[in-house]
Amino acid sequence: QMQLQESGPGLVRPSQTLSLTCTVSGGYVSSGDYYWTWIRQHPGKGLEWIGYIYHSGITYSKPSLKSRVSISLDTSKNQFSLKLSSVTAADTAVYYCARESLGLGEFLGLDVWGQGTTVTVSS
Amino acid sequence: DIQMTQSPSSLSASVGDRVTITCQASQDISNYLNWYQQKSGKAPRLLIYDASNLERGVPSRFSGSGSGTDFTLTISSLQPEDFATYYCQQYDNLPRTFGQGTKLEIK
Repeated sequence: QMQLQESGPGLVRPSQTLSLTCTVSGGYVSSGDYYWTWIRQHPGKGLEWIGYIYHSGITYSKPSLKSRVSISLDTSKNQFSLKLSSVTAADTAVYYCARESLGLGEFLGLDVWGQGTTVTVSS
Repeated sequence: DIQMTQSPSSLSASVGDRVTITCQASQDISNYLNWYQQKSGKAPRLLIYDASNLERGVPSRFSGSGSGTDFTLTISSLQPEDFATYYCQQYDNLPRTFGQGTKLEIK
């Protein structure tokens, strides 16, 4: 049973870079069966898809965040990471990592999620 | 980006009721739609993928239907554990986008 766990600072200063890591257990980030995804949820609001990375290193980020987002993979640690630069209070949110499964070439949904980590941007 | 619009935004219902939540896409997304359930303080849980396929372990009282731009999530007989917020999500195009959510509350 695959599990995902987010980690990183809970408090980030404005204009700094938010850095989060998602550690995968019970499976491998090098697998071609999954897209490794970041999603966030502003306080009391809905879900916002940030972007994903595939085992090949291909990434895609939401255009409105793309200039500030970097998603990477570390197969040696079985982790993937999110960096969001130049943060403001508007980046305060719960950040989730999740896997989007592929089956027979088709996407099967975000079927495993981390528990989420709260990041507050404040001086 | 494809806009996903859910209705209603909130809904009050009783245990045993049949409930339907709708999701409309701003363009044709075929059947590339998922439904998620989120309880307070928890990560979302996948309920339905490909518009109508029940995720493993999800009770059969949940069902999904639709294609193109109009989709529905139905709970045939509400149980106490079903009171939560529900989100639709399209995966026809990048970026993936979610509906704004439907909060299902106890009447």
